[in-house]
Amino acid sequence: DQQVKQNSPSLSVQEGRISILNCDYTNSMFDYFLWYKKYPAEGPTFLISISSIKDKNEDGRFTVFLNKSAKHLSLHIVPSQPGDSAVYFCAASDHSGGSNYKLTFGKGTLLTVNP
Amino acid sequence: NAGVMQNPRHLVRRRGQEARLRCSPMKGHSHVYWYRQLPEEGLKFMVYLQKENIIDESGMPKERFSAEFPKEGPSILRIQQVVRGDSAAYFCASSPEGGRYTGELFFGEGSRLTVL
Repeated sequence: DQQVKQNSPSLSVQEGRISILNCDYTNSMFDYFLWYKKYPAEGPTFLISISSIKDKNEDGRFTVFLNKSAKHLSLHIVPSQPGDSAVYFCAASDHSGGSNYKLTFGKGTLLTVNP
Repeated sequence: NAGVMQNPRHLVRRRGQEARLRCSPMKGHSHVYWYRQLPEEGLKFMVYLQKENIIDESGMPKERFSAEFPKEGPSILRIQQVVRGDSAAYFCASSPEGGRYTGELFFGEGSRLTVL
């Protein structure tokens, strides 16, 4: 049973436009959410995170929005750049249970930003 | 390179052989985690170790898989009698703290195991 779902396997966006990557979760115990970015043949690198006490977190061109009632989060990248082309993983953890290291990952969305 | 170091990057084994994957955490990190990514899947937690201790192995298959993080040297993920279904990318991550640490995990580049 997939507890973190990224329903779009791929997304293609024009350079300069906004990229919106979506993620849904089913486990109501999740209270911490992260986005990781992965280039081919490399490990995932941390991008941005959000705690369930917030509904928005911004870092430069990257903003994550959390809608707890809908169990949905999204990552906005604006403006998108060709170097942003990568696989983006949504991940979640349950801090209240103490196992914040046990991340549950989605399957990822391949973002392609066209010049 | 002060990042998480994994080796080998690629490993090919025949069914029934043993696979050993090594991970050296980032300098100053004493908490190591192993994740596995099967084809077309997301990463899945396997095990969390500190030096000489297994803290949480709830994601490890019950048989053939073991992990250690000795006092000296890298962490090792060992898979005995490999089967084709073990073919995957195995990622190691580390962190400076454990427990209720709220920071990020730092991942290595992964070891890709192919079982023929």
